[in-house]
Amino acid sequence: NAGVMQNPRHLVRRRGQEARLRCSPVKGHSHVYWYRQLPEEGLKFMVYLQKENIIDESGMPKERFSAEFPKEGPSILRIQQVVRGDSAAYFCASSPILYNEQFFGPGTRLTVL
Amino acid sequence: DAKTTQPPSMDCAEGRAANLPCNHSTISGNEYVYWYRQIHSQGPQYIIHGLKNNETNEMASLIITEDRKSSTLILPHATLRDTAVYYCIVRVPNTGNQFYFGTGTSLTVIP
Repeated sequence: NAGVMQNPRHLVRRRGQEARLRCSPVKGHSHVYWYRQLPEEGLKFMVYLQKENIIDESGMPKERFSAEFPKEGPSILRIQQVVRGDSAAYFCASSPILYNEQFFGPGTRLTVL
Repeated sequence: DAKTTQPPSMDCAEGRAANLPCNHSTISGNEYVYWYRQIHSQGPQYIIHGLKNNETNEMASLIITEDRKSSTLILPHATLRDTAVYYCIVRVPNTGNQFYFGTGTSLTVIP
């Protein structure tokens, strides 16, 4: 019974490149959430998706960031033209139904050189 | 904005009970209290949640005061592996399904 899987676990990008982070939710979970954690800080909500729909993106930066959760395949968080300030741990979580507890993946640690 | 207040750090002797307090004085009637922990930058791990009654599971107990303005997470027999940052979270209504993580309490279990 696999939990939330994220890959890659570590990602290094140079300024201006694109970063693609993948999240496979727990089997049967249709709700996916992305959070960002800067060094020495708590997690900050970014976006909430259901299959093929963005439900709440109030925590997403207005530019360069996008997320999707296609009908088939993992959820993708895409960061275009990365800057050093994007260096952080990005966590994905999933839940089976609305308002249930969320189960978190191990995170992707993005380092921008 | 986090809707909870927690002490930044606590120590606990191995084998003793760890009692982690949380204040949530502005909690509304339909909001649950959730506890998660994060061990050394791993993904947060769900521990327990409750509305107004005390709850217990295999990991911990949650004691919520009668007025619901505060709660305590109890780890009955702390081990070194319980060293982590513990987050008390109140789900805010009408804001989608996000959790607001504050800065939590860094618990250190001492041998």
